Amino acid sequence: ILNVEQSPQSLHVQEGDSTNFTCSFPSSNFYALHWYRWETAKSPEALFVMTLNGDEKKKGRISATLNTKEGYSYLYIKGSQPEDSATYLCALSGTASKLTFGTGTRLQVTL
Amino acid sequence: NAGVTQTPKFQVLKTGQSMTLQCAQDMNHNSMYWYRQDPGMGLRLIYYSASEGTTDKGEVPNGYNVSRLNKREFSLRLESAAPSQTSVYFCASSEAGLAGDRDTQYFGPGTRLTVL
Repeated sequence: ILNVEQSPQSLHVQEGDSTNFTCSFPSSNFYALHWYRWETAKSPEALFVMTLNGDEKKKGRISATLNTKEGYSYLYIKGSQPEDSATYLCALSGTASKLTFGTGTRLQVTL
Repeated sequence: NAGVTQTPKFQVLKTGQSMTLQCAQDMNHNSMYWYRQDPGMGLRLIYYSASEGTTDKGEVPNGYNVSRLNKREFSLRLESAAPSQTSVYFCASSEAGLAGDRDTQYFGPGTRLTVL
């Protein structure tokens, strides 16, 4: 079983703050890393898939980087807004396209 | 396209009762998955079906069975429900088989199950 760890577990920021959180994973047997955004009472939605060391992906104010050699990925949110409040999950691809999820970072953005 | 649909949205069972959770996808995806989500535990894979006609155990399969009825549908059955199976259940699907391990999973809206 792959061990995917996310930190911090939760985060409170003010509107306009920039923030980032971390996903750590075993660097061997790497296939792909996924980031999902999960709003309360909804289902997880995919943000990014990254496969190559040094990959950077961006969607609006959200971006992610990947370091497969040291086994981590960062998710950045620039100028946080209340609508960014959600749990952010990372997941590692294994065999048969299974994903192993971390427990998530719960972000709360207040006015 | 409806994407991934799940029924029911909510269910309350008594210990020992059985039920089937239904999942269907209209994206012509090869692979389908069942997860449970518990506080502090993240999403844990119960069973998956890499392609039509195949099913495999995930991380927490005990107490569950699955059927991949056809390419569209993947059901999860609780034969004798226990309070420990109180959870939110998510079905997901992905293209897989074409893009290898680089595919994205699309999730249904979830089923909230309470076992008394």
